[in-house]
Amino acid sequence: GENVEQHPSTLSVQEGDSAVIKCTYSDSASNYFPWYKQELGKRPQLIIDIRSNVGEKKDQRIAVTLNKTAKHFSLHITETQPEDSAVYFCAGKSNYQLIWGAGTKLIIKP
Amino acid sequence: DAGVIQSPRHEVTEMGQEVTLRCKPISGHNSLFWYRQTMMRGLELLIYFNNNVPIDDSGMPEDRFSAKMPNASFSTLKIQPSEPRDSAVYFCASSSNRAGELFFGEGSRLTVL
Repeated sequence: GENVEQHPSTLSVQEGDSAVIKCTYSDSASNYFPWYKQELGKRPQLIIDIRSNVGEKKDQRIAVTLNKTAKHFSLHITETQPEDSAVYFCAGKSNYQLIWGAGTKLIIKP
Repeated sequence: DAGVIQSPRHEVTEMGQEVTLRCKPISGHNSLFWYRQTMMRGLELLIYFNNNVPIDDSGMPEDRFSAKMPNASFSTLKIQPSEPRDSAVYFCASSSNRAGELFFGEGSRLTVL
């Protein structure tokens, strides 16, 4: 079955700098890779996703890249702001089920 | 649409008591998921329903846990009897089969004393 690994577990960056979170997956049949943001005490919410027929997708300050050959995908946040502080989860879709990474706690230092 | 609606938002109970968590998925969504989230174990899928039918309950920890979906607009997760190690946030989420996005409810925070 699918296995998704996420790194780092904690990431601290200066406000205004970029943040990169990386995930690897094991099932080459996985074809959908979303990223969710979970603020403290709140629900996870989708921020961006990518399908396996696309290599990169951008939405304002957020971008996701996918390397199918290497089976890894990354979240890039540019010009980080205090409101970016949260836990970010990657996932890979295998059949009906999303297999989740363990999460990355992103801390934005003022 | 109001999104996925869960109740109660918070539940504090004593060990041995029955706990029932409720979920109303987004109208038109035919997939429903129950997750449990803890610091130690992250997000764990407990059970998945498709068109009201349980498809995968392999994540249900033990016989104390049960889930039902009597119709397309309502699901319950029951724990009987509850134990302190069941303390967690329980999320219900729904999705449309065609789209990939999972919509989460606000969660039910359960504390078992």
